[in-house]
Amino acid sequence: GNSVTQMEGPVTLSEEAFLTINCTYTATGYPSLFWYVQYPGEGLQLLLKATKADDKGSNKGFEATYRKETTSFHLEKGSVQVSDSAVYFCALSEGYNTDKLIFGTGTRLQVFP
Amino acid sequence: DGGITQSPKYLFRKEGQNVTLSCEQNLNHDAMYWYRQDPGQGLRLIYYSQIVNDFQKGDIAEGYSVSREKKESFPLTVTSAQKNPTAFYLCASSKGLAVSYEQYFGPGTRLTVT
Repeated sequence: GNSVTQMEGPVTLSEEAFLTINCTYTATGYPSLFWYVQYPGEGLQLLLKATKADDKGSNKGFEATYRKETTSFHLEKGSVQVSDSAVYFCALSEGYNTDKLIFGTGTRLQVFP
Repeated sequence: DGGITQSPKYLFRKEGQNVTLSCEQNLNHDAMYWYRQDPGQGLRLIYYSQIVNDFQKGDIAEGYSVSREKKESFPLTVTSAQKNPTAFYLCASSKGLAVSYEQYFGPGTRLTVT
């Protein structure tokens, strides 16, 4: 079945460091891909998305490119801030006629000043 | 402000008691979802509803029940049959049947059963 695999955390970085959080997926068809962010004690917020191969999603300095050839959707940011500390979830939709999402296990990011 | 409301934020219950978690949205969304989040795990889908008066089981529906009598509301009941109910529960909604519609999440309810 469809699945999402994320790198395990926590990822610990100093402020202004470069961030990569790896995400790979297994899916039939042509899923859409998402990154959600969860700040402590809160629900999830959509960070960015890509709906077809080679699309790049971007928001708040974060980027991810939908790579069909490597089945990946890695999250990157050039310079992280302390306020980026959160848990990041990669997710895919299962296909047309459904909004169901399959989530990865989440990667905790800790940024220190 | 449009959004999703979950109440209460923290809920404590004794083992053997049923408990109902509230989820309300004023986004005029057709679809609503309930997820369970456990430490170190991703979100797992409990139930979802794509339209009023209709709902389907997700991946871990055993021990849970839902209703969808109104578009705005999708309450989740955690029954005594749920063997490990302590978890963080998240409600979400989306516009409807389209692959690129994002899901909007509520702030969550942390349920502790002792």
